[in-house]
Amino acid sequence: DQQVKQNSPSLSVQEGRISILNCDYTNSMFDYFLWYKKYPAEGPTFLISISSIKDKNEDGRFTVFLNKSAKHLSLHIVPSQPGDSAVYFCAAFGTSGTYKYIFGTGTRLKVLA
Amino acid sequence: EAGVAQSPRYKIIEKRQSVAFWCNPISGHATLYWYQQILGQGPKLLIQFQNNGVVDDSQLPKDRFSAERLKGVDSTLKIQPAKLEDSAVYLCASSWSVVPQETQYFGPGTRLLVL
Repeated sequence: DQQVKQNSPSLSVQEGRISILNCDYTNSMFDYFLWYKKYPAEGPTFLISISSIKDKNEDGRFTVFLNKSAKHLSLHIVPSQPGDSAVYFCAAFGTSGTYKYIFGTGTRLKVLA
Repeated sequence: EAGVAQSPRYKIIEKRQSVAFWCNPISGHATLYWYQQILGQGPKLLIQFQNNGVVDDSQLPKDRFSAERLKGVDSTLKIQPAKLEDSAVYLCASSWSVVPQETQYFGPGTRLLVL
């Protein structure tokens, strides 16, 4: 039972354009969401997070949007750079539950120069 | 600040053999996590320690997997005996506290291949 889904395994975007990575979840108890970025042969690194009390959080070129009614979040990267090429994982947990992160399957982003 | 260290980086074993992985978290981090990442999937939490106590091991296959965090610092994860389906990357992560909003810092992982 995949509680966090990233339905696009891969995405290619031209340098300078916007990258939009999507994530859907099914568990209504989830109220905190994170994005991690992973380069080959390295561990995931934290990118940005959002609590369910917000619908948007920005950090530089990265913005995460949360639509609670649709149980959907997205990560926008503007402008995209070749160094952004990596696998992006979304993760979710419930602050009133066991706190365990549930990760999606990841989306491989390739930014073309 | 040194990151999370893991060793070995790669390991190839035959099925039914035993294997152990080591993790040294970031200094001062009280919470340590072991994740299993199978190819094409996201990381799955196996076990979480707060200092040297277990917080969550609900997804650890306890018939073959064991983990310990003696003295609340380093940790080892053992598989005995290994099965083909244990082939995966084993990631160790640490954070300042058990509060889940605290950022988890991941090590580079140990890639295990069971033949």
